[in-house]
Amino acid sequence: AQKITQTQPGMFVQEKEAVTLDCTYDTSDPSYGLFWYKQPSSGEMIFLIYQGSYDQQNATEGRYSLNFQKARKSANLVISASQLGDSAMYFCAMREKIGGATNKLIFGTGTLLAVQP
Amino acid sequence: NAGVTQTPKFQVLKTGQSMTLQCAQDMNHEYMSWYRQDPGMGLRLIHYSVGAGITDQGEVPNGYNVSRSTTEDFPLRLLSAAPSQTSVYFCASSYYRGPVNTEAFFGQGTRLTVV
Repeated sequence: AQKITQTQPGMFVQEKEAVTLDCTYDTSDPSYGLFWYKQPSSGEMIFLIYQGSYDQQNATEGRYSLNFQKARKSANLVISASQLGDSAMYFCAMREKIGGATNKLIFGTGTLLAVQP
Repeated sequence: NAGVTQTPKFQVLKTGQSMTLQCAQDMNHEYMSWYRQDPGMGLRLIHYSVGAGITDQGEVPNGYNVSRSTTEDFPLRLLSAAPSQTSVYFCASSYYRGPVNTEAFFGQGTRLTVV
C-alpha cells in the first residue's frame, strides 16, 4: 500500500539559506510520481514540483529541487536561498500508476517551515 | 479559468445537521477527490471518483457520502454532522488515464465547524 512519511513537523531556516524537507515513501508499484505542494497561511494548495519514478535526473523548478534517491525511497525537497514568503506548510504526496491508469494521490502529514529574517 | 470551485468557504453546523459541500471543475478531469485536513494529520482522502457514476472510498469515508452524476460535479454530503467532522475540506481534480505526473488541482477549501 502507498505510504508517505514526513518526519519533520516543523523547521526553521534563516533567510537566504538553503533548507531540506524530508520525505520518504513506500510503494510496491514500479511506476509512481512524487509531488510537493506548498500551503501558505491563506490555505490554498500550490503545486511546486514533480518527480517520476523513471526520471533519470532530479527535478528542478526555480529555487526548488527534488533530491530523489530511489533505492532509499526518499524524495526530499530542497529550497535554495530561502525567502520570507517561503514560510508555509509543505506536503509531500505520491500517486501510483496501476493498471494503465493513475491512482489516488496520498499525502504526508506535512512540514511547517518558518523562514527567519 | 475557474479551475476547481468549492462552496461554501466557511460553514458552522449544529450536531446532527446535514449539509452538502459543493465541488465543481471545468477542466474535464475524470478524477475528483475529497480530502480533509486536520492538524498533524496531513490531508486524508475521504472519497474519490474516476468518472461519472463511479465512486470509491478513501482512507476516512465514515460519515460522508458522495455521488458523481456528471464529470463536472462531485458533492460531499454530511448526513448527520458530528464534532469530529470539524475540519478543513479540500476538493481536488486531475486527469486519470494519463501520465502519472498529472498534478492535482485544488479548490480553495471549506472550513467546517460542528458545534
